[in-house]
Amino acid sequence: DQQVKQNSPSLSVQEGRISILNCDYTNSMFDYFLWYKKYPAEGPTFLISISSIKDKNEDGRFTVFLNKSAKHLSLHIVPSQPGDSAVYFCAASAGYPAGSYQLTFGKGTKLSVIP
Amino acid sequence: DVKVTQSSRYLVKRTGEKVFLECVQDMDHENMFWYRQDPGLGLRLIYFSYDVKMKEKGDIPEGYSVSREKKERFSLILESASTNQTSMYLCASSSLTGDNNEKLFFGSGTQLSVL
Repeated sequence: DQQVKQNSPSLSVQEGRISILNCDYTNSMFDYFLWYKKYPAEGPTFLISISSIKDKNEDGRFTVFLNKSAKHLSLHIVPSQPGDSAVYFCAASAGYPAGSYQLTFGKGTKLSVIP
Repeated sequence: DVKVTQSSRYLVKRTGEKVFLECVQDMDHENMFWYRQDPGLGLRLIYFSYDVKMKEKGDIPEGYSVSREKKERFSLILESASTNQTSMYLCASSSLTGDNNEKLFFGSGTQLSVL
């Protein structure tokens, strides 16, 4: 049973436009969400996160929106740049006591930003 | 910056060989993890450890074992490599954020090919 779903395996966006990557989850216990970016032949790097007490978190060109009632989050990249081309993973955790938890990852969305 | 170092970027082994993948982190993190990444399947947790000599099974532990003799080092062992273990292996360690959530830091990955 997939608890974190990224239903779009790929997305192509023109440079300068907005990229919107979507993520749905089924576990109502999840209360912390993260986005990771991964380039080929490299490990994922942390991009941005959001706690369930918020509905929006912004960091430069990256904004994550959380809709708890819909169990949905999205990552907005504005404006998109060719260097943003990567695989983006959505991840969630259920707020276990520190030191005894694990992240659940989605399958990833490959973003291609076309110059 | 946190550094998670995986000993090999690329590895080619034969079916039946015993394979060791080594991972070292330099930030005194308690928790360490091993994931594998496969196209269309995302990141899947193999094993994790929250203390020296402690280990916990993740989602796909079959065919793998781990060793955590020192806090900074977490090894993944393939007892008898098989072709379906050809994959990108990612090691990670984690730290707590200010709001007591965990954030993973990944190594660059080891692309293992089993022939």
